[in-house]
Formats: sequence, C-alpha cells, structure tokens
Amino acid sequence: KAGVTQTPRYLIKTRGQQVTLSCSPISGHRSVSWYQQTPGQGLQFLFEYFSETQRNKGNFPGRFSGRQFSNSRSEMNVSTLELGDSALYLCASSGEGAEQYFGPGTRLTVT
Amino acid sequence: AQSVTQLDSQVPVFEEAPVELRCNYSSSVSVYLFWYVQYPNQGLQLLLKYLSGSTLVKGINGFEAEFNKSQTSFHLRKPSVHISDTAEYFCAVSDLRAQKLVFGQGTRLTINP
Repeated sequence: KAGVTQTPRYLIKTRGQQVTLSCSPISGHRSVSWYQQTPGQGLQFLFEYFSETQRNKGNFPGRFSGRQFSNSRSEMNVSTLELGDSALYLCASSGEGAEQYFGPGTRLTVT
Repeated sequence: AQSVTQLDSQVPVFEEAPVELRCNYSSSVSVYLFWYVQYPNQGLQLLLKYLSGSTLVKGINGFEAEFNKSQTSFHLRKPSVHISDTAEYFCAVSDLRAQKLVFGQGTRLTINP
C-alpha cells in the first residue's frame, strides 16, 4: 500500500496570505489528523477528521481550519498567515487500529 | 488530559553500545503508548506501540520498550546501536479513543563511531 502523501512538500508564503495544504491517507484509512511541528513548541495536535466530520480539535486559533472529503483526502487551511506559523505540518492517517501513520510533511515558511 | 516527558533532550552514545531513551507519561485514564522516529527532513515513522497485553513490546530496527504502569514509564531500548540510528525519537500517548496523540519534546540520539 502507498503511504500517506502530502502536497506540496515545501511552501513559502508572505505574512497575511492564506495557504492550503493537502493530505491523501493510506488507502482504506478513514481518520486523518494534522499536527504542527516547530522547534519551540514541538509536535502539537491541530485537528482530526473521520468520515468528513471533525471529531477532535487542538488549541489553535480559528485561522486554522480543515476539511475532509468523501474519499478521505483532507486539506488544512491557514488564513492571515503570521511569522509564527512557519512550521512543518504533518498529516497522519489511521484505520481500524490505534496507531497513526505519518506523511513526509509540508514545510511552510512565512516571510 | 495526558502529558509526556522525555527525560533527556540529547543522548550521545558510541556505535554498538546499548541505549535507553526515557519516557514518562501522565494520564487519569488508560492509554496507548507509542514511539516514533524522525530522520532529518522526514515525517514520523512508527517504531513500536503498546496497546494491551505483554508489557514488553518489540518494534522495528531492533528496538523494544517496556510499559511500566506503576511508574508510568515507557522507556525505549536497543542493545546495540548503529550509525543509522541517528535521529530524533518521540514518545507519544493517546487515550483509548486514539483520536489524538500527545508527544514528548523528543530525544536526539547521536551515534559516535
């Protein structure tokens, strides 16, 4: 089976812009989670989607949003970008088991 | 709510030496426990997991971990490390709904020849 894929791998944006990141889960996986990784804060949970519904949400401002499509693919959107949003954004999918499988991430740089 | 503490931010060891990376967690409910590895410029790879049953779990690349409920620990061990084990290692916990992982701050393992 193919693993979790994320596009794009690298992105450079300017403060105030918005960005959309995409994640395709492992085939058959219905749960998709998003995490932000920064040197200062480490790995932090953003949100989790299952069957197009957000089941869980982390402690991030409303500028961070996501959605899931009927084929389980997911997108996350960050509006009005700030310098502090520069991070590696990781997507993970899970199936029937408890473990999550991660993609390679999207490196977002905000200038 | 859960929390995870990785007791060492950096661990340097010589090649072929044994290593232990320490992880303690806090939770008011039963949990699942995981170790992930991250190589430079990559995502996270699952090393091993504890869901239930035997407290000693074996994972990939020769790693193993032991769940100790009384000490709320889940330390990762390898009897003999290789240069290729150089990476950052993350301990993570989730409740039994497994919808969200809470990570420790990571331990950078450096292998010296």
